[in-house]
Amino acid sequence: DAGVTQSPTHLIKTRGQHVTLRCSPISGHKSVSWYQQVLGQGPQFIFQYYEKEERGRGNFPDRFSARQFPNYSSELNVNALLLGDSALYLCASRRLAGPDTQYFGPGTRLTVL
Amino acid sequence: QQPVQSPQAVILREGEDAVINCSSSKALYSVHWYRQKHGEAPVFLMILLKGGEQKGHEKISASFNEKKQQSSLYLTASQLSYSGTYFCGTEILGYALNFGKGTSLLVTP
Repeated sequence: DAGVTQSPTHLIKTRGQHVTLRCSPISGHKSVSWYQQVLGQGPQFIFQYYEKEERGRGNFPDRFSARQFPNYSSELNVNALLLGDSALYLCASRRLAGPDTQYFGPGTRLTVL
Repeated sequence: QQPVQSPQAVILREGEDAVINCSSSKALYSVHWYRQKHGEAPVFLMILLKGGEQKGHEKISASFNEKKQQSSLYLTASQLSYSGTYFCGTEILGYALNFGKGTSLLVTP
């Protein structure tokens, strides 16, 4: 079975621009979560979506938004990019909304100049 | 809410054992363990649920003390491929994982 896929792999943007990151979960998984990982730190939770509904949001500004589509794929949008948004953005999927095995995608490396 | 991991770093020789600890100040739904190699995404190792259920890697074991909100990951007879950064993710609200800062493990020949 295919794992979690993310696109693009790498992205370079300038301050103030907007970015959209995409994620396709493992087949049969209805929950998608987004995490931000900066160098030397563990992943930080941004959002979780289950059955197209937002289930939880981490401590991130309103510049960050996301949505989940009927096919369970998801987009993460970040507006008005700041230098500090440079990070690896990870998408993770799991079958259930609650405690369940969660698998990460390969990530999108975002660099903001 | 970030769990605390210890040790921060450990160096082993091939074949040696290691224990990585994770503790939380809050009651937990579950604890998840991942290994991440440089430049790659975290790879799932194990999930430990309230009530004692565990799912994960055959060659890796872990424990979860629900009363103390602590978990430990046991790496036995380490191999070179075990090198990487180990993260524990704790689940408090039932939908979000809070990750520790990681434990860097290096296995040498």
